[in-house]
Amino acid sequence: GEDVEQSLFLSVREGDSSVINCTYTDSSSTYLYWYKQEPGAGLQLLTYIFSNMDMKQDQRLTVLLNKKDKHLSLRIADTQTGDSAIYFCAEERTYKYIFGTGTRLKVLA
Amino acid sequence: EADIYQTPRYLVIGTGKKITLECSQTMGHDKMYWYQQDPGMELHLIHYSYGVNSTEKGDLSSESTVSRIRTEHFPLTLESARPSHTSQYLCASSDSAGVNIQYFGAGTRLSVL
Repeated sequence: GEDVEQSLFLSVREGDSSVINCTYTDSSSTYLYWYKQEPGAGLQLLTYIFSNMDMKQDQRLTVLLNKKDKHLSLRIADTQTGDSAIYFCAEERTYKYIFGTGTRLKVLA
Repeated sequence: EADIYQTPRYLVIGTGKKITLECSQTMGHDKMYWYQQDPGMELHLIHYSYGVNSTEKGDLSSESTVSRIRTEHFPLTLESARPSHTSQYLCASSDSAGVNIQYFGAGTRLSVL
């Protein structure tokens, strides 16, 4: 299909790791992105990965890319209450983004 | 911090009114975008522009129109607002070099009564 899919909700305890999954559709996407949206705000870029990479790590964030299965994941280590937000993956098609459905992460103290 | 601004942040308006949502960026970006975000979170591209005097419709059909007379300014207009236009509207911009990172404004939450 044409949709970029994510699970809608994820709940974790503070200090645990969070893993947010995304299935995308266009194998020719050059870059794939993860954005974060806090309540009442726009989207903020967290990280991105080039399509010829399998993994990218940036402090507490780890992105894994499985091109064969068109699967992208974002792992947040040592999840904090400030990480509670909506997380979007996005694939790029000719300068336009196709966003995933968004995953609402709730971090329990 | 991204230099992209949307006004107003919140707007409550009656049916049939004409409204313009403003979006400005000071980064000199060529590309600008308007997204509509459903209450259930999903974002849909409704308009985009690759430069001055260039505008295209996005993937989601919208009754709104846009203009791009200046690089920094990309306003969205609804000639006659209806309750079905109630939504959050997000503006974004990106440059033409390398990775196409989009920078987002804080959004305009529109309610049409």
